[in-house]
Amino acid sequence: AQTVTQSQPEMSVQEAETVTLSCTYDTSESDYYLFWYKQPPSRQMILVIRQEAYKQQNATENRFSVNFQKAAKSFSLKISDSQLGDAAMYFCAYSSNRDDKIIFGKGTRLHILP
Amino acid sequence: ETGVTQTPRHLVMGMTNKKSLKCEQHLGHNAMYWYKQSAKKPLELMFVYNFKEQTENNSVPSRFSPECPNSSHLFLHLHTLQPEDSALYLCASSQDTGRPGFYEQYFGPGTRLTVT
Repeated sequence: AQTVTQSQPEMSVQEAETVTLSCTYDTSESDYYLFWYKQPPSRQMILVIRQEAYKQQNATENRFSVNFQKAAKSFSLKISDSQLGDAAMYFCAYSSNRDDKIIFGKGTRLHILP
Repeated sequence: ETGVTQTPRHLVMGMTNKKSLKCEQHLGHNAMYWYKQSAKKPLELMFVYNFKEQTENNSVPSRFSPECPNSSHLFLHLHTLQPEDSALYLCASSQDTGRPGFYEQYFGPGTRLTVT
């Protein structure tokens, strides 16, 4: 069965600094997607970035980038120039291209220190 | 209204009550989902609807009863709940089911349910 593990329940970073959130996953599939979702205090889950397993190039979205290590089954999220609005729960997630389920990790709560 | 909306935002109910959660999507999508988010646990998929037809029931107890009258509206009817059912219930929608990497799911803000 596929699993997603986020080993850091909470993290803090100084405003304007860079922070990396860790995620590992387990699957026997070769065709899948990985995601990072953000859930701010408003509770609305927002997709931050996605990575297709077949693409070797790491995905980037403005200040957000990932380090996708397929062999190690690792998918970390780097947030550069952290802003107060980045404070949220961040969920790593996985989906196989063979079905419609998204498997989520337990989340990492990110605090931004002014 | 834009995106995915959910009402009410907060709900407190006794174990013998009957209540309903409502979700509405304004995105023209065909698929809708119910998720349960409990403290310290990963988000769990409960139900999936595509073109008003239920395509997935993830072993959810019968005290949760979904209803999808059209592609824009999704309800979750609740009756004789248990305290362990207290959680955040999130609704989502997508253009179609299958391949979440291709059909992005858009989430609502959730209903915080407390069962006393």
